[in-house]
Amino acid sequence: GENVEQHPSTLSVQEGDSAVIKCTYSDSASNYFPWYKQELGKRPQLIIDIRSNVGEKKDQRIAVTLNKTAKHFSLHITETQPEDSAVYFCAEGGGGADGLTFGKGTHLIIQP
Amino acid sequence: NAGVMQNPRHLVRRRGQEARLRCSPMKGHSHVYWYRQLPEEGLKFMVYLQKENIIDESGMPKERFSAEFPKEGPSILRIQQVVRGDSAAYFCASSPPWGIVTDTQYFGPGTRLTVL
Repeated sequence: GENVEQHPSTLSVQEGDSAVIKCTYSDSASNYFPWYKQELGKRPQLIIDIRSNVGEKKDQRIAVTLNKTAKHFSLHITETQPEDSAVYFCAEGGGGADGLTFGKGTHLIIQP
Repeated sequence: NAGVMQNPRHLVRRRGQEARLRCSPMKGHSHVYWYRQLPEEGLKFMVYLQKENIIDESGMPKERFSAEFPKEGPSILRIQQVVRGDSAAYFCASSPPWGIVTDTQYFGPGTRLTVL
């Protein structure tokens, strides 16, 4: 079955620095890769997603890169701010309406 | 435009009781997904439904768990004879109908089930 590995499990960076979270997946048929941000006790919120027909997507301070050959994708957050502190989850889907397979999450801590 | 709605937000049950969790998708969405999140873990897919149809229940435990999405009304996740291991946050997500980009799933606020 599908498997998504996410690293690191915890990431602490200084405010203003960049943060990078990486995920690998195993299913070659996967073609949809969203990233969700979840604050304590809240719902997962979609922050950016990428489909397999592109290699990179950017939205202000957030970017995602995808390497389908190597089966890995990464989240990049630049100029980090205190409100970026949360747990971030990567996920993959097989296209169409499909249940997503999630990584175990990265707890991002922004140090003031 | 109301988002995905779930109720109750918190539910406490004693072992052996039944738990019913409700989910109303976003307006215009016809696909509903249920996920379970254990403390300090990611979300695990349970079931995917469209109106009156279960499309994929590969993540559902074989016993005690069932889901429905009737023609009228919310989707319901039902857990019979709850055990302590069922304690978790249960999230519902919805996505648009076929013909529109259906990958994108929007999550509700979740129901936090505690089994005493």
